[in-house]
Amino acid sequence: EIVLTQSPGTLSLSPGERATLSCRASQSVSSSYLAWYQQKLGQAPRLLIYGASNRATGIPDRFSGSGSGTDFTLTISRLEPEDFAVYYCQQYGSSPLTFGGGTKVEIK
Amino acid sequence: QLQLQESGPGLVKPSETLSLTCTVSGGSMSSRYYYWGWIRQPPGKGLEWIGSIYYSGSTYYNPSLKSRVTISVDTSKNEFSLKLSSVTAADTAVYYCARQGVAARRLQAFDIWGQGTMVTVSS
Repeated sequence: EIVLTQSPGTLSLSPGERATLSCRASQSVSSSYLAWYQQKLGQAPRLLIYGASNRATGIPDRFSGSGSGTDFTLTISRLEPEDFAVYYCQQYGSSPLTFGGGTKVEIK
Repeated sequence: QLQLQESGPGLVKPSETLSLTCTVSGGSMSSRYYYWGWIRQPPGKGLEWIGSIYYSGSTYYNPSLKSRVTISVDTSKNEFSLKLSSVTAADTAVYYCARQGVAARRLQAFDIWGQGTMVTVSS
């Protein structure tokens, strides 16, 4: 099983700032099958990024993903008020599919 | 616009079987491009994949739950179901159903999610 470790656990930033979230895998993620999701309180997760760097339909271009192998990054170039949420990475390159523990982006 | 909706009992007794259904509207489940999955989230915790099913009935399960899980599909009703047996308090969670792509027989990311349903295991 691939274990995904997300850091930091909490990121305290102000609107307009840049957010950099990390996801590290315990072994290489096949074919960069790595996704990022955003979850707001009381809501279902929303797909942001798939294939490590491809934005899902309707996702603003301030969200970008990068990385390969075992190290992946989600970057939010300029935080908007609606971006404060919890973010999860997920690998789907091998079974079982696994999720990271999440990074909470909170308002400073 | 495709939508998914979970339904089922919100309270299940320990040792009994949890049963949930996901109804798909706004599109057909019988597409060769998608699998249909279940994911759960205990209160205040992260996400755990339970398993996924193809419209033909082919399944993938998380080995950690495989002995207790059955996922089935009814394409005539455009719905798929989850059964989790011998539940304990540790199975208390929000249960989500979701659509995921499939490419070259490889499962892809979950792109459309239901709103989730809370299931509590308690006597």
